Formats: sequence, structure tokens, C-alpha cells
Amino acid sequence: VQLVQSGAEVKKTGESLRISCTASGYHFPFYWINWVRQTPGKGLEWMGRIDASDSHSSYNPSFQGHVTFSVDRSTNTAYLQWSSLQASDTAMYYCARESSNGNVQLDHWGQGSLVIVSS
Amino acid sequence: IQMTQSPSSLAASVGDRVTITCRASQNLHNFLNWYQQRPGRAPNLLIFGASSLQSGVPSRFNGSGSGSIYTLTINSLQPEDFATYFCQHSYNSPYTFGQGTKLEIK
Repeated sequence: VQLVQSGAEVKKTGESLRISCTASGYHFPFYWINWVRQTPGKGLEWMGRIDASDSHSSYNPSFQGHVTFSVDRSTNTAYLQWSSLQASDTAMYYCARESSNGNVQLDHWGQGSLVIVSS
Repeated sequence: IQMTQSPSSLAASVGDRVTITCRASQNLHNFLNWYQQRPGRAPNLLIFGASSLQSGVPSRFNGSGSGSIYTLTINSLQPEDFATYFCQHSYNSPYTFGQGTKLEIK
């Protein structure tokens, strides 16, 4: 199992951005993909999750309306998208595969995508 | 659900046993996971369901607890164990993380 994320991005406030997470080594539609933000000030924050089989998404209310999750099953890729970046979006972003046996856990993680937003 | 880890940092020596505690604002019914994060790396799953050891994780890592209080114990610390540890609940959405415990070499 491997999740490979897109590279670092430097953007301006108000710009749009889409970062990617490409999965391999397992049947992509069988698992949800979660997105996690990490900053020095707030630590790890769970942003939400998307079902790779049907694109059904669940968002943390703290991020609802500001980000959008999507998947492309033809390329086994999940995406995290912003339409209008803010300086506070500067962070490292991780995708992670969710496995479940009753309990939900993030058993494989991407290497992270650093996003820097400046004015 | 609020998650509070203690301590926020901890200094120990190779060979020591250390315990990290995670307290939730409500009963998690064992829907609690632990992750290790080394500097510059992504988090790595250690324990799921409060006490189940993830495949490939050394047996010196042990998770326990119930209700709203859970602990991660590392027996006989090894040099590679000096890292930051996070708890995360998965009882309901949003799946909140604790703020982390940084384990440093004494």
C-alpha cells in the first residue's frame, strides 16, 4: 500500500489550489480516504473523509464550505481543493487510508503536501 | 469530543518505560487510536481500538484504557522511539486528535 501526494505549493491569498493523493497496492474503491491538516500551532486536525467508491464525503464542521474532497477512480487519486486560499491555510496536509473493523483507524499515510499561502 | 493528552512533553532514557495518557470529554467505547510521528515524517499507526497492536509495530508498545481515559505505554524505550505521539478518537465525526506528547531523550 502506498499513498503518494503532490509536491509543495506556494500560492497567494485568494488563489485556488488542488492537491492530490495517488493510491497504489490496494483496491482503491474499497476504502475511504481521510485528510488531515498539521500546523505547529494546532497540531493534527482531522478535516474529513471521502468514500472512494461513491465520492460521498463527510467534513469536519471547522472545514466545511472551505475545502472540497473528490476522487478519480480511473487514476486511483483523491484530491483536496480550495477555491480561495487564506493565509491560515498554510500547513502540511496529509491524506490517509481509513481501515475499519468496527473501529476506524488511519493505517497508511501519504508523505504530506506542504502548502504555503502568502499575501 | 475534546481530547487532552498528558504530559505534553516527556524526557526519558533508553530502556525506560513511559506512559502517555489521553483523556476524552466523553466515553469513547474504545474507539481510540495512537500514532507515532517522527520529525519530518507522516504519522504512523501504532494502536487501534484502544489496545490492538497494528501489524509490524513492536510489542513494547501497549495500549489500554476504557471509557474516557486511555494510555499508551512504551516498555524498554529504544532510540527510534523518541518522537511525538498522538491519540485520536473515532467514536463519531469529527475524529479529533490529541495535541501530542513529545518524547525526548534525557
